Amino acid sequence: DIQMTQSPSSLSASVGDRVTITCRASQSISNSLNWYQQKPGKAPKLLIYATSSLESGVPSRFSGSGSGTDFILTISSLQPEDFATYYCQQSYSTPYTFGQGTKLQI
Amino acid sequence: QVQLQESGPGLVKPSQTLSLTCTVSGGSISNGSYYWSWIRQPAGKGLEWIGRIYKSGNTNYNPSLKSRLTISVDTSKNQFSLTLSSVTAADTAVYYCALGWGWFDPWGQGTLVTVSS
Repeated sequence: DIQMTQSPSSLSASVGDRVTITCRASQSISNSLNWYQQKPGKAPKLLIYATSSLESGVPSRFSGSGSGTDFILTISSLQPEDFATYYCQQSYSTPYTFGQGTKLQI
Repeated sequence: QVQLQESGPGLVKPSQTLSLTCTVSGGSISNGSYYWSWIRQPAGKGLEWIGRIYKSGNTNYNPSLKSRLTISVDTSKNQFSLTLSSVTAADTAVYYCALGWGWFDPWGQGTLVTVSS
């Protein structure tokens, strides 16, 4: 299985901050990396697929980059509704695997 | 717009079989080239991909669950299902169904399954 490791596990930030979350794969996954946002009691929501493609309806302050084994989710200017847990997921090979999550809090 | 809804018992006894169904609305499982997946999340923990099925019935399972897992599809009812046998407390989680062959979108709202006597 491909292991996905996110850092940090938790992050304190303020409205207006620029935030980056890192995801590292245990082997190269090309650009097969996706990002989700999850709020308490809700299903995860797709933000970015294939490393850098923004899902329809997702604000442009979210962006993704990377390739191979190292990937980054960037939120350019944090908004109050962005405080949530973020997960990366590889879709290079089954079993698909997720990172352990990054909890973004005030 | 496709929507998914999980259904099934919220409580299962240890050693018994967990069975869930995902009903798809706003689109047909028979149309398109998509996989339909199950994903679970224990309380306060991360996400685990369980497996997926194609409209033809072709499946891929997580090896960690493969010996206990069956995913099936009923295109006439526009549903797909999960059965997990010999459950233990470790199988207690919110179970989600989702659409996608690589990334997952949309997701169902999730259903909590507790394994307890």
